[in-house]
Amino acid sequence: GAGVSQSPSNKVTEKGKDVELRCDPISGHTALYWYRQSLGQGLEFLIYFQGNSAPDKSGLPSDRFSAERTGGSVSTLTIQRTQQEDSAVYLCASSPDRNNYGYTFGSGTRLTVV
Amino acid sequence: GENVEQHPSTLSVQEGDSAVIKCTYSDSASNYFPWYKQELGKGPQLIIDIRSNVGEKKDQRIAVTLNKTAKHFSLHITETQPEDSAVYFCAANPHGQNFVFGPGTRLSVLP
Repeated sequence: GAGVSQSPSNKVTEKGKDVELRCDPISGHTALYWYRQSLGQGLEFLIYFQGNSAPDKSGLPSDRFSAERTGGSVSTLTIQRTQQEDSAVYLCASSPDRNNYGYTFGSGTRLTVV
Repeated sequence: GENVEQHPSTLSVQEGDSAVIKCTYSDSASNYFPWYKQELGKGPQLIIDIRSNVGEKKDQRIAVTLNKTAKHFSLHITETQPEDSAVYFCAANPHGQNFVFGPGTRLSVLP
């Protein structure tokens, strides 16, 4: 597609449940990133995928968070046993490669844990 | 690692005035500096960027300046309009590393 697509746009879940967030990057973009943005805050890096290389997971806040990218395209961010502090907007971005190119962000998934 | 600071955190200007947002970075290896605009309920959108071999770049009403020696770069918006109201983020990209974003500036353009 023309841009980065994320689904769902909104998700309300009960504390303790698992959730999956999906990102469909721009076709041909080899780099894919997940960020978290809490209300009124900046962008917190979570995880980075580049082609077939091992992902950079250094930003994942706990082992309840995981992500995969199948076939070098679509990515899924999974949060297990959700907690209220997981409530945030989860943003996905892609770029042609890691260096010297701006990211194209999706519109995000607003996750609310109740 | 890289650290990016951004000032001010909030900025209010009258329509038609100019707005300036400043960022500093710490890693001299950073060589690419994008600026993003985030409107309410949307993802950040790239509005302008500058590479370390250039001192200034302009695109209509927006411009970015870079001072590599002092490790700071600034976003300039002239003739501001209400639709410029948004949160603006700067970022720095040490070669081969992920972007580090500033904390953001909330710009309000008052009619």
